[in-house]
Amino acid sequence: AQSVTQLDSQVPVFEEAPVELRCNYSSSVSVYLFWYVQYPNQGLQLLLKYLSGSTLVKGINGFEAEFNKSQTSFHLRKPSVHISDTAEYFCAVRRGGYSTLTFGKGTMLLVSP
Amino acid sequence: EAQVTQNPRYLITVTGKKLTVTCSQNMNHEYMSWYRQDPGLGLRQIYYSMNVEVTDKGDVPEGYKVSRKEKRNFPLILESPSPNQTSLYFCASTSGTGGEDSYGYTFGSGTRLTVV
Repeated sequence: AQSVTQLDSQVPVFEEAPVELRCNYSSSVSVYLFWYVQYPNQGLQLLLKYLSGSTLVKGINGFEAEFNKSQTSFHLRKPSVHISDTAEYFCAVRRGGYSTLTFGKGTMLLVSP
Repeated sequence: EAQVTQNPRYLITVTGKKLTVTCSQNMNHEYMSWYRQDPGLGLRQIYYSMNVEVTDKGDVPEGYKVSRKEKRNFPLILESPSPNQTSLYFCASTSGTGGEDSYGYTFGSGTRLTVV
């Protein structure tokens, strides 16, 4: 079975500072990796995904993530955050050939002025 | 517009009163799934369906039922709701196989259920 660990439940950061949200997964087979964002009182929106190829993936709103197979990690980064980035971020993994998407518990990004 | 539509968005009900949350997608996706979201627990899968008349349990199926009589619809049924089923529910769909765009899930807007 696969699992996803998001190491931080909350990450407070000041506006225009860089941020990294950490995600580790466990799976013995090839996986597809995703980051979703949930703004307050809204549904889930796909930020970016890694399927294959380049390990550095760029997504919407200036976010990027790097797939590291040896460390089984898929950390999300942004060089300069805005107040509007305040949201909950979910890392998710899907095994090759299977359709179930397994989520981490989420990281709340709190951006203050 | 490609979308997953859930209804209702908000629902308050009493313990034991049967209810159904509807989910419909217009993308001809084979795979549909229900999740519940609780603070500190992330999203946990309740049931999923690989295609019409094919459903299976996820991680937290107790107290829920589903059906998949048509490809586009995947209702979630709570036969006798209890307060511990108070949660935010999401329906999602994906095409399941093949093509880069098919691996992402499309989520509905969510249904906030309160059982008193």
